Amino acid sequence: DIQMTQSPASLSASLGETVTIECRASEDIYSNLAWYQQKPGNSPQLLIYDANSLADGVPSRFSGSGSGTQYSLKINSLQSEDVASYFCQQYNNYPPTFGAGTKLELK
Amino acid sequence: QVQLKESGPGLVQPSETLSLTCTVSGFSLTSYSVSWVRQPSGKGPEWMGRMWYDGDTAYNSALKSRLSISRDTSKNQVFLKMNSLQTDDTGTYYCTRDWETGRPYYYVMDAWGQGASVTVSS
Repeated sequence: DIQMTQSPASLSASLGETVTIECRASEDIYSNLAWYQQKPGNSPQLLIYDANSLADGVPSRFSGSGSGTQYSLKINSLQSEDVASYFCQQYNNYPPTFGAGTKLELK
Repeated sequence: QVQLKESGPGLVQPSETLSLTCTVSGFSLTSYSVSWVRQPSGKGPEWMGRMWYDGDTAYNSALKSRLSISRDTSKNQVFLKMNSLQTDDTGTYYCTRDWETGRPYYYVMDAWGQGASVTVSS
């Protein structure tokens, strides 16, 4: 199985700040990578697919980039509603696998 | 409006079988695939398996010997059965709608149910 390693495991940022979360795959996943947001007490929601395509209804302050084994999620101008855990997921190989998550809190 | 809702017992005895139902609305099970994903508290999700739109199934090899996924299209329901439950099977179980991205045969989970909390304990 492909291992997905996220960093950092947690971070604290201020409103209006730009935040970046990293995700590394154990092998090339050819940009078949998604990001999900999970707000406290809720189920995950799709944010980004194909490494850099925004899902429907997702604010443009979210963006994804990367290729090969290295990917990142950037949040510009952090808002209070962005407090959540974020997970990356590869769907290049079976089984689809997720990272352990990054918990984002407000400073 | 796409909706998925999981239902089933919240408490299961060790070594017993877990049975969950996912009831969907707003889309057809013959047009979209549905996955089961579970998440231990405070950890990342784990993909368990998929009911393809054509009725075929795919399983995570780590769970395949214990897992069975089926469906009833007339009732818009997908079922999960997993036997020989242990305490590390405790967590929240989600069903998801699988959406094919612009790349053929590549799927992401574009809608999730609210989740069913399952505790394995005597």
